[in-house]
Amino acid sequence: SQTIHQWPATLVQPVGSPLSLECTVEGTSNPNLYWYRQAAGRGLQLLFYSVGIGQISSEVPQNLSASRPQDRQFILSSKKLLLSDSGFYLCAWSIRQGRPFYGYTFGSGTRLTVV
Amino acid sequence: AQSVTQLGSHVSVSEGALVLLRCNYSSSVPPYLFWYVQYPNQGLQLLLKYTSAATLVKGINGFEAEFKKSETSFHLTKPSAHMSDAAEYFCAVSLRDDKIIFGKGTRLHILP
Repeated sequence: SQTIHQWPATLVQPVGSPLSLECTVEGTSNPNLYWYRQAAGRGLQLLFYSVGIGQISSEVPQNLSASRPQDRQFILSSKKLLLSDSGFYLCAWSIRQGRPFYGYTFGSGTRLTVV
Repeated sequence: AQSVTQLGSHVSVSEGALVLLRCNYSSSVPPYLFWYVQYPNQGLQLLLKYTSAATLVKGINGFEAEFKKSETSFHLTKPSAHMSDAAEYFCAVSLRDDKIIFGKGTRLHILP
């Protein structure tokens, strides 16, 4: 069966420090991968999605970047964190072009607090 | 462009009472529709999905939703609320491009 792993579960980082959040998927190949942010009162915001190795689409201009160095690995990064980067970050995957579309499977999330 | 509107950011029901969470969508083509549930500090879990088969969709934990094209609605119901149903619920819509648009969520409170 397919599983998605996301770590760390919680993170407290000072303003200006770098960030690296990692997400890996097991039990499938060629998945679509997604990074979402959930800030208080703002719902789910799609940050990045990827349909293949090295292919990253950014949905919202911001202080973050994403990379997909391997088929089932998706990394969210920042060179210098801002206070506004605080939030709950969720990774998700879906079957690429599967029909019918079964939706996304989410990881357990990372709670990032920038202090 | 597709969009999702969830009516009520907070809904309170008594334990044992009917749960009704409302969702309306906007889509130019027949959509896929989803309901997800999120417990505190956890990821989203798929409750149920509509993918153009039966219009009444049954999901996990006793929830179900009915796709009504004429009303562009996909309301989530459960006959009898349980304390463990307290969570945030997200309605979502997708066209054929595999991108999901989420509603802003409804937090469900269960009163003892």
